[in-house]
Amino acid sequence: DVKVTQSSRYLVKRTGEKVFLECVQDMDHENMFWYRQDPGLGLRLIYFSYDVKMKEKGDIPEGYSVSREKKERFSLILESASTNQTSMYLCASIDRGHEQFFGPGTRLTVL
Amino acid sequence: GNSVTQMEGPVTLSEEAFLTINCTYTATGYPSLFWYVQYPGEGLQLLLKATKADDKGSNKGFEATYRKETTSFHLEKGSVQVSDSAVYFCALRRRGGSEKLVFGKGTKLTVNP
Repeated sequence: DVKVTQSSRYLVKRTGEKVFLECVQDMDHENMFWYRQDPGLGLRLIYFSYDVKMKEKGDIPEGYSVSREKKERFSLILESASTNQTSMYLCASIDRGHEQFFGPGTRLTVL
Repeated sequence: GNSVTQMEGPVTLSEEAFLTINCTYTATGYPSLFWYVQYPGEGLQLLLKATKADDKGSNKGFEATYRKETTSFHLEKGSVQVSDSAVYFCALRRRGGSEKLVFGKGTKLTVNP
């Protein structure tokens, strides 16, 4: 079974803090994605990566950055967290031509 | 650009009722189409997919047919169960492009016993 894990299920941070969300997949997939999920807005793509050290902006990259130093790990970074970044964050991975596999999500609250 | 429009929720049904969740899309070329399901407290998982016109995807009693002429991919189930309560997302992936998916906003389904 493909497994995508995320470092935390729930996270509470303060405004201005630097936040790291980690995602690890165990199937040697090339492509990895970070989404945020908000009620009434569905899933919106923040960033994706198609190879180690390669990344592309998604639809809403502002306020976020990413890091992919190893194939299995894709990190989302909030340089200075703000309250409007309170959301559910979902990581996914895919091998070319196959379905996307999602992690369980991290519910981030920024106070 | 590419977009997906799906039926606004929430949808509330009684057990054994018939379910339809509408999904229409706008895309260049001929995309692949997907339905994902998100059970409470979990990530999304693939429910079914179709990769070309007139294909029918099916899984767990759910079906959806890729209709190019109406640019639609409606999700149906003949008899829903309480365990089908979840959020359902329609999505497309543009053929020949990156692996990015474009999602609809999701439809929350609640099935009452």
